[in-house]
Amino acid sequence: AQKVTQAQTEISVVEKEDVTLDCVYETRDTTYYLFWYKQPPSGELVFLIRRNSFDEQNEISGRYSWNFQKSTSSFNFTITASQVVDSAVYFCALSKNQAGTALIFGKGTTLSVSS
Amino acid sequence: DTAVSQTPKYLVTQMGNDKSIKCEQNLGHDTMYWYKQDSKKFLKIMFSYNNKELIINETVPNRFSPKSPDKAHLNLHINSLELGDSAVYFCASSQDWGGRGSADTQYFGPGTRLTVL
Repeated sequence: AQKVTQAQTEISVVEKEDVTLDCVYETRDTTYYLFWYKQPPSGELVFLIRRNSFDEQNEISGRYSWNFQKSTSSFNFTITASQVVDSAVYFCALSKNQAGTALIFGKGTTLSVSS
Repeated sequence: DTAVSQTPKYLVTQMGNDKSIKCEQNLGHDTMYWYKQDSKKFLKIMFSYNNKELIINETVPNRFSPKSPDKAHLNLHINSLELGDSAVYFCASSQDWGGRGSADTQYFGPGTRLTVL
């Protein structure tokens, strides 16, 4: 069975601090996909990144970076120099290598950035 | 141009009523989904359709019935609404890469907040 664990329920930081959101997953599949989504207070789900299990390269997009380590089954997300607009719930998700398959979500981490 | 749209955004109704939530995507995607987000913000798949055919039908009450008139639309009809149905319902869509496998990115609609009184 597939499972995603986001152990940090809530994180509070002050603007300009760096913050890392942890994600640990479980799967027996050799090929799978990992995702991060952001849910701001307005409620929509915003796609951030998709990564397949064969691509362990770290990714950087502006202030966002992702660290994928198969050895520890982790796909962590770091925000550098956090801003108030980063305040949101962040979800890590896992899916099989199959069209039309479900996303298995973690319970989310609520990030609060204060000025 | 809204990629995945849902109507209505808010739905307040009485127990026992029947209601529908509509979803449309203009991305040309082949697969559409319904997810439920509960009061603790936990997201769980309910259904998925590929080219109007049901792929995933998770353990949800029979009172929930998805209907896909064409591949750009996936509506959710709920009969005999109960208090526990109160939640946010998200529609999503993704491109289907067919026999090549590959789970493509799912893009979500804005959500419909259903409140059953």
